[in-house]
Amino acid sequence: DAKTTQPNSMESNEEEPVHLPCNHSTISGTDYIHWYRQLPSQGPEYVIHGLTSNVNNRMASLAIAEDRKSSTLILHRATLRDAAVYYCILRGLSSGTYKYIFGTGTRLKVLA
Amino acid sequence: SAVISQKPSRDICQRGTSLTIQCQVDSQVTMMFWYRQQPGQSLTLIATANQGSEATYESGFVIDKFPISRPNLTFSTLTVSNMSPEDSSIYLCSVGAGGAPYEQYFGPGTRLTVT
Repeated sequence: DAKTTQPNSMESNEEEPVHLPCNHSTISGTDYIHWYRQLPSQGPEYVIHGLTSNVNNRMASLAIAEDRKSSTLILHRATLRDAAVYYCILRGLSSGTYKYIFGTGTRLKVLA
Repeated sequence: SAVISQKPSRDICQRGTSLTIQCQVDSQVTMMFWYRQQPGQSLTLIATANQGSEATYESGFVIDKFPISRPNLTFSTLTVSNMSPEDSSIYLCSVGAGGAPYEQYFGPGTRLTVT
């Protein structure tokens, strides 16, 4: 299974943009890149996903490298509520079933 | 989206006993997943549970230890059998959103402490 590598932790000031990197050098052509975040004492929640092209939604943007071996989650203006563990996940098809392989995650600390 | 509830939300159990965790979804879903999150760690997939078929377990997880039932399209249970302190974790269920791309919605988790 393809794996992801993320920094253990990052800090950002409130109201500033945050770029969360993820390396996935063994990604296969059919793997989607998903980002989830886990707030304290909650289950993970969906943030964004993509395959090849950059993606934007109301929560964040996802920038995918041309060779797809890395990606960056961009939070345009961090708020205190964005403090969470952010997981970069590859969603692959295995034996006819899609499943997630979670990375170690990046703990984002937002400073007031 | 799907709303998922889990019972119990937390429990403290003695070693050697078993605990059954329930996962209820507010809509019919084909695929359900069970994860384990050990203290301070990321999530690890235990098994995939499709209604009407046997659960598919990931490497390192076996049915005798983590039996799963999936009686209908809105409900599943995970049993943690013959527990030891190493089983102390958060156990989460999730469901697939269906269609493409395939997103998952997660329950709040069950925090298990084994003494």
